[in-house]
Amino acid sequence: KAGVTQTPRYLIKTRGQQVTLSCSPISGHRSVSWYQQTPGQGLQFLFEYFSETQRNKGNFPGRFSGRQFSNSRSEMNVSTLELGDSALYLCASSIGQATWGEAFFGQGTRLTVV
Amino acid sequence: AQTVTQSQPEMSVQEAETVTLSCTYDTSENNYYLFWYKQPPSRQMILVIRQEAYKQQNATENRFSVNFQKAAKSFSLKISDSQLGDTAMYFCAFGYGQNFVFGPGTRLSVLP
Repeated sequence: KAGVTQTPRYLIKTRGQQVTLSCSPISGHRSVSWYQQTPGQGLQFLFEYFSETQRNKGNFPGRFSGRQFSNSRSEMNVSTLELGDSALYLCASSIGQATWGEAFFGQGTRLTVV
Repeated sequence: AQTVTQSQPEMSVQEAETVTLSCTYDTSENNYYLFWYKQPPSRQMILVIRQEAYKQQNATENRFSVNFQKAAKSFSLKISDSQLGDTAMYFCAFGYGQNFVFGPGTRLSVLP
């Protein structure tokens, strides 16, 4: 059974640009959550999607957005990149709600903004 | 708002020995889930163990066990017979509804 796949693994962008990250969950999983991990702030919840609907959103500016497709794959978009957006972005999938199920994480996308 | 605290930023343990990682949390909820995740240098977060708050029995998973004290809002992880492969960041996490809150992590080094 394939795990959670995040693409790309590494990304370098210039300040002001936008970026799209992709996450393919485990087959059969309908919930996808996104997290930002930085040395200073730790792991912070961005948002969760279930059956193409955003069910919860963390405390991030509107520059951070996401969506989920009918096949449960999810994309996260960050517009007008800032240096502080440099981070490891992790995606997790679960069968139902991430918090009562078991969330499986991808290996993350390392975003560097220069 | 729920918060998770891990008071030990770094710990080390000799191979084959036992180590306990601490975690406390704050919530007014009664039914929730607690998790320990491991993040090795490969960056992939791996679920170590999960505890449902309504269960009094402490969860165990091979060499990993927890000490869940609901009244004290404490959820520590005990690793027995530590192995070099246990070297990683360990995150305690709280889950309720659609909220999933992680602690700051404890960096564990297993020494040969």
